[in-house]
Amino acid sequence: NAGVTQTPKFQVLKTGQSMTLQCAQDMNHEYMSWYRQDPGMGLRLIHYSVGAGITDQGEVPNGYNVSRSTTEDFPLRLLSAAPSQTSVYFCASSYSQGGETQYFGPGTRLLVL
Amino acid sequence: DAKTTQPPSMDCAEGRAANLPCNHSTISGNEYVYWYRQIHSQGPQYIIHGLKNNETNEMASLIITEDRKSSTLILPHATLRDTAVYYCIVRTGANSKLTFGKGITLSVRP
Repeated sequence: NAGVTQTPKFQVLKTGQSMTLQCAQDMNHEYMSWYRQDPGMGLRLIHYSVGAGITDQGEVPNGYNVSRSTTEDFPLRLLSAAPSQTSVYFCASSYSQGGETQYFGPGTRLLVL
Repeated sequence: DAKTTQPPSMDCAEGRAANLPCNHSTISGNEYVYWYRQIHSQGPQYIIHGLKNNETNEMASLIITEDRKSSTLILPHATLRDTAVYYCIVRTGANSKLTFGKGITLSVRP
C-alpha cells in the first residue's frame, strides 16, 4: 500500500490564484481530513469527511473548500489564495470516525506571495 | 475534549529511557489519551493510546495515573531517530478529531 499520498510536495502561488491540493489513500479508509501547520504551532483541522459525499468543517475552514466524490480522494481547494494561507498542509485518513490510528501524508508546503 | 499540558522541551541521552510527561487534569471518563510524534516536518505518526490501563507496544509504553489526570510516554531506549515533537492528545473514542497543541520537543543527544 502507498498509504496516504499528497501532491504537490511544494507550491508557490501569487495572491488571488486558485489551486487544488490533492490527497489520496489506498487503504479503503472512510474518514479523511485536512490540517494546516504554521511555524511553531500544532496542527489545526480545516475540513474532514466521514465518507464519500459527506464533508464538514473543522477549526479553520475559511478560504478552503473540499469535496469527497470517492472513498480514495479528498482534494482541498483554495479559491483565492492569500498570504495567510502560507503553511504546510497535511492530509490524514483512518478506517472509521472512531478509528484509533490516523495515517498522515507527507505534507504539501504552500507559499503564497 | 479535555486540554493537555506538556513542557516545551526535554532531552535525554541516546540509549537511555525517555519519559515524556503530560497533564490532562480535566479528562472525563470516556476520553482516551493518545500520543503522536512528528519528526522534522514529516506527517505526524501514531505511537500509542490508552484509556486507564497501562499500554505497551513495539514503540513505547504509556503509563496513566490511577486518577487519570496525567500520563507518561516512555521510550525505553531512545535513539537519535526519536528526536521529534511529541503530542499528547485527549479525545473520545467516537470522535476522530485530533486537537494538536504545541507538543514537547524531545532531543536525543549522542
